[in-house]
Amino acid sequence: NAGVTQTPKFQVLKTGQSMTLQCAQDMNHNSMYWYRQDPGMGLRLIYYSASEGTTDKGEVPNGYNVSRLNKREFSLRLESAAPSQTSVYFCASRRGADGNTIYFGEGSWLTVV
Amino acid sequence: QKEVEQNSGPLSVPEGAIASLNCTYSDRGSQSFFWYRQYSGKSPELIMSIYSNGDKEDGRFTAQLNKASQYVSLLIRDSQPSDSATYLCAVNTDSGNTPLVFGKGTRLSVIA
Repeated sequence: NAGVTQTPKFQVLKTGQSMTLQCAQDMNHNSMYWYRQDPGMGLRLIYYSASEGTTDKGEVPNGYNVSRLNKREFSLRLESAAPSQTSVYFCASRRGADGNTIYFGEGSWLTVV
Repeated sequence: QKEVEQNSGPLSVPEGAIASLNCTYSDRGSQSFFWYRQYSGKSPELIMSIYSNGDKEDGRFTAQLNKASQYVSLLIRDSQPSDSATYLCAVNTDSGNTPLVFGKGTRLSVIA
């Protein structure tokens, strides 16, 4: 059981380049999330998808776009990377909104130079 | 803005002692509360959840919830060096589709 899988694990980008972080879950969860984590800032929500076909902005959505491709997959795209987007990105999923637990992927370390 | 507050630490305790981690939240309507542990370079993992006032025990871990005071805590008994990590408090603010709100975490260091 893989749980939540995200790729790539490490990436270095030049300012202005674009890239997509991929995330897939095999737990048949309805809700999926993208967070970024920076030192001293905790986990900050970028975008989320409460169910297939819906997406909503979180706390820090500027500079990002998302696609809920199907129930399993939720991708995060950086259209024009900036050094301020250097961070660790975590994808997560949860069965529903009934208070049950959220499961995280292993993280993607992104450096923008 | 719904907020979850934690002392950033570091909280240092000797091996074998009780570590006490605290969290306050701003939304009085919050319904579900979670503690996650995150080792350096790793993703957060759930260690405790609590939904009603009082204490909930699981092995060396005890979660305590006081909704009137908007306060949730995590006690770690017989602390071990392997417990050294950052502990994140997370709150589900309603029963809808609102995502969990995370605190910034408290770094715990258990000294052998």
